[in-house]
Amino acid sequence: DTAVSQTPKYLVTQMGNDKSIKCEQNLGHDTMYWYKQDSKKFLKIMFSYNNKELIINETVPNRFSPKSPDKAHLNLHINSLELGDSAVYFCASSQDYPSYEQYFGPGTRLTVT
Amino acid sequence: RKEVEQDPGPFNVPEGATVAFNCTYSNSASQSFFWYRQDCRKEPKLLMSVYSSGNEDGRFTAQLNRASQYISLLIRDSKLSDSATYLCVVNQRNYQLIWGAGTKLIIKP
Repeated sequence: DTAVSQTPKYLVTQMGNDKSIKCEQNLGHDTMYWYKQDSKKFLKIMFSYNNKELIINETVPNRFSPKSPDKAHLNLHINSLELGDSAVYFCASSQDYPSYEQYFGPGTRLTVT
Repeated sequence: RKEVEQDPGPFNVPEGATVAFNCTYSNSASQSFFWYRQDCRKEPKLLMSVYSSGNEDGRFTAQLNRASQYISLLIRDSKLSDSATYLCVVNQRNYQLIWGAGTKLIIKP
């Protein structure tokens, strides 16, 4: 039983395309996050949703748009992909907000060519 | 200066040895500190919290030095399975976590 799952695991696409990454958690958590881990391994928070409501929106290009249809799902849509978007994107969840004990999904490795 | 800094390593350590590494943070108002572990090409997982009084969990000991603004992680009797990247995480503002880039540890037989 996977606690936090993401699809797809790998995504290779060309510049200019639009793509989505899906995340689901079956832990019953109220809060979900999207992180970006670049080639230098820094993890940076992008978005956070608590009970389907956006609570953190870091400085991220507006080509990135999160959507939370319900507490168990947080999807990330990316428009007009650029080379610099290549990274590993992690979804995470926590029981509530704020919480430092976060459970991460396996990551989606995005490569933009 | 970066908000959270770690020596990237790698630290190459023989099995059974004791290894320690630090993480420095720039904001003296930081409230909470954590160590996460990330295996190669895997997701981060919480290893332990760092309390003001220190925290020990089996072979792992985490300590906080507020005066010098760093936290440390010490691993005793290291195992091959301890090989991973150890991420320092600091809560600096509004409960958002600031992540270090990690210290890579390689335990050799």
